[in-house]
Amino acid sequence: SQTIHQWPATLVQPVGSPLSLECTVEGTSNPNLYWYRQAAGRGLQLLFYSVGIGQISSEVPQNLSASRPQDRQFILSSKKLLLSDSGFYLCAWSPGTGNSYEQYFGPGTRLTVT
Amino acid sequence: GQNIDQPTEMTATEGAIVQINCTYQTSGFNGLFWYQQHAGEAPTFLSYNVLDGLEEKGRFSSFLSRSKGYSYLLLKELQMKDSASYLCAVPRGDSWGKFQFGAGTQVVVTP
Repeated sequence: SQTIHQWPATLVQPVGSPLSLECTVEGTSNPNLYWYRQAAGRGLQLLFYSVGIGQISSEVPQNLSASRPQDRQFILSSKKLLLSDSGFYLCAWSPGTGNSYEQYFGPGTRLTVT
Repeated sequence: GQNIDQPTEMTATEGAIVQINCTYQTSGFNGLFWYQQHAGEAPTFLSYNVLDGLEEKGRFSSFLSRSKGYSYLLLKELQMKDSASYLCAVPRGDSWGKFQFGAGTQVVVTP
């Protein structure tokens, strides 16, 4: 069966510090991978989307970046965090082939920028 | 582009029925998803409708009308654990791998 992991679970970082969040998927090959952010009481905002190694699509301009160094690894980074980067970050995957569009979410990382 | 509307909050008592409506506008359609999200947790999949009609899964049912751009999620025999946010989502017409999520409907179940 497939599983998706994210770490860390929670993070408190000062403004201007760097960020690295990691997501890994097990039990599937060539998944589509996603990074979402959810601000308190808000809906999910798609940040990045990847259909394969090294292939990243950015949805909104921001000071975040994403990388996919391996098929089942997705990393969200920032060189200098802003206060507005606080939120709940969710990684998700969906099958890369077939007609199934369902997305499966990881447990999330709660980031507080102080 | 995509536009999804759903009510912000609904309150119901334990054992009752609640219906959460979702209207959407999308260029191209490839199904509609409902997710449940408890506070502080990740969303979990509830249902998927691609054809018109009602899909039933135990206490939860989801309905779709493609011609009206409308769906609802029906929660029956409400339990306290059903208190959560319910998210409506549609794959985007420009890229069906990407979803547009609604802001979510917070359901509060009272004793």
